[in-house]
Amino acid sequence: GENVEQHPSTLSVQEGDSAVIKCTYSDSASNYFPWYKQELGKGSQLIIDIRSNVGEKKDQRIAVTLNKTAKHFSLHITETQPEDSAVYFCAASSQGGSEKLVFGKGTKLTVNP
Amino acid sequence: ETGVTQTPRHLVMGMTNKKSLKCEQHLGHNAMYWYKQSAKKPLELMFVYNFKEQTENNSVPSRFSPECPNSSHLFLHLHTLQPEDSALYLCASSQGIDRGNEQFFGPGTRLTVL
Repeated sequence: GENVEQHPSTLSVQEGDSAVIKCTYSDSASNYFPWYKQELGKGSQLIIDIRSNVGEKKDQRIAVTLNKTAKHFSLHITETQPEDSAVYFCAASSQGGSEKLVFGKGTKLTVNP
Repeated sequence: ETGVTQTPRHLVMGMTNKKSLKCEQHLGHNAMYWYKQSAKKPLELMFVYNFKEQTENNSVPSRFSPECPNSSHLFLHLHTLQPEDSALYLCASSQGIDRGNEQFFGPGTRLTVL
């Protein structure tokens, strides 16, 4: 089955700097890669996703890149702000008829003012 | 606010208790999910329901019993749990179960088993 590794587990940056979180996956058949932001008491929200037919997707300060050959994808946050502080999860969809997302362990991002 | 609500938000129970977690989605979705989030572990899929029918049971112990009376409501019945079952239990919903459907998560229930 699918296995997703996420690094780093914690990340601390200064406000205005960039933050990068990396994930690798094992199942070459996976073709959907969402990123979720989990804030305390608010649940997890999808912030960006990418499908295997594209290599990069950008939404304002957030971008995701995908390297299918190397089986890794990354989340890039530019001009970080304190409100970006949260736990971020990557995920990959594995084979099967149902939506069976496999998640990474999460990265706790702290943006220091 | 994601449109998915969960109650209670916090629950403390003994190993002999019976309790239930509730999830409700107001998004008109057809698929609902239960996940377990333990400290320092990946989010684990437990159950998937599509149009009230269970489509996935990810080798979950029988002390966890899901129920989906309709597409908007999902329950997780708990009985004779173990301390290692203490975790954050997240509910999610999506339009369908086709690959690539965005899942919307609830805030979770923080469960502590004494």
